[in-house]
Amino acid sequence: QSALTQPASVSGSPGQSITMSCTGTSSDIGSYNLVSWYQKKPGKAPKLMIYEVIKRPSGVSNRFSGSKSGNAASLTISGVQTEDEADYYCCSFAGGSTLVFGGGTKLTVL
Amino acid sequence: HVTLRESGPALVKPTQTLTLTCTVSGFSLSTSGMRVSWIRQPPGKALEWLARIDWDDDKYYRTSLKTRLTISKDTSKNQVVLKMTNMDPMDTGSYYCARTGILGAYVDYWGQGTLVTVSS
Repeated sequence: QSALTQPASVSGSPGQSITMSCTGTSSDIGSYNLVSWYQKKPGKAPKLMIYEVIKRPSGVSNRFSGSKSGNAASLTISGVQTEDEADYYCCSFAGGSTLVFGGGTKLTVL
Repeated sequence: HVTLRESGPALVKPTQTLTLTCTVSGFSLSTSGMRVSWIRQPPGKALEWLARIDWDDDKYYRTSLKTRLTISKDTSKNQVVLKMTNMDPMDTGSYYCARTGILGAYVDYWGQGTLVTVSS
């Protein structure tokens, strides 16, 4: 399985909305509504932010939202805050009980 | 409170077998629907799903590594073990154990990860 494609970095000012993309193929994102997003801060375990494309786990701010179109998915953070600065990874179910991840996007809040 | 903690050697030599242990708490490995995966991240590269074991002992492996991986669990010890044979410097990276959600389609809890370096 090839990794999903994510931009290396995105940036925004506090209060802005930012969107980061995740591009896959018809074998992963395009075939399943099973995209998830994870936030990773230095020295901490990754944290689930979005699952099944649009669902938010309990405790995750509603400033985080997900979407999907075709073979691509997106994570939007509305009103970005300095505490959101982290690496974000997308993931898709890829059939055969396998998962495929993206390379990660570094979010910088200026 | 769900936690997962990885343990194992920080350094292994090429051709050796790596054994990693994931100790879980806050849930039982025998409870229906519980699944635990191993995921790794080589330096500067994407996360890679490696293997998964389910509550009913079903096991799944990354196709490209299937011949080198063995996943098992000891329910009485709340532990999941991953063995990877014939280690190579390309296997250097951080290794995470992670509880995997419905259908094995996402990870709802991750361990902190353990860094494994393969070098002679």
